[in-house]
Amino acid sequence: QKEVEQNSGPLSVPEGAIASLNCTYSDRGSQSFFWYRQYSGKSPELIMFIYSNGDKEDGRFTAQLNKASQYVSLLIRDSQPSDSATYLCAVNRPGFQKLVFGTGTRLLVSP
Amino acid sequence: KAGVTQTPRYLIKTRGQQVTLSCSPISGHRSVSWYQQTPGQGLQFLFEYFSETQRNKGNFPGRFSGRQFSNSRSEMNVSTLELGDSALYLCASSLDRGQTEAFFGQGTRLTVV
Repeated sequence: QKEVEQNSGPLSVPEGAIASLNCTYSDRGSQSFFWYRQYSGKSPELIMFIYSNGDKEDGRFTAQLNKASQYVSLLIRDSQPSDSATYLCAVNRPGFQKLVFGTGTRLLVSP
Repeated sequence: KAGVTQTPRYLIKTRGQQVTLSCSPISGHRSVSWYQQTPGQGLQFLFEYFSETQRNKGNFPGRFSGRQFSNSRSEMNVSTLELGDSALYLCASSLDRGQTEAFFGQGTRLTVV
């Protein structure tokens, strides 16, 4: 079992729709969770982080965390073609600075 | 505020050679981590440095090494390069250890021929 699992996609959504990206993790000791966006040929860019159960909203992005189910998700509202990228989920354990990444979900937003 | 700076951006090396990559973290950040990204393996943790000491190491051979200087700048070295070392090497800067956000540099694209 991989430590962090994501559906590789591609996830295709029309412009203006809500894109829902999901991630599960196996280490119950994980306490910090991150979403990175990576455009082709570029480095990962941090877009959201969440530490507590529940929802965290930032503009069009909402991160959701459920530690009991070991599940974290990212919702992108009003998706734009510029959101087309690979979204990487990463988790970290307290006391460590070692992000464990999923393989990423490729999102395609069509005009 | 300047971001994470990695140099060089691109490198082409021959098998058997060694290479040194450099990373300057965001000003005030004290933790520097290195990752390797390949199409097949994704993003893999190499090591983390904090206060000039390696704090954590990933599952890579001893050919991969690094260090951190007193100004938090870090270098990583790969000796006896193999074709499989071709990858994007990413440096991540964090304010501190533990539950803090990590910001990536633009990466160094290493090609081993």
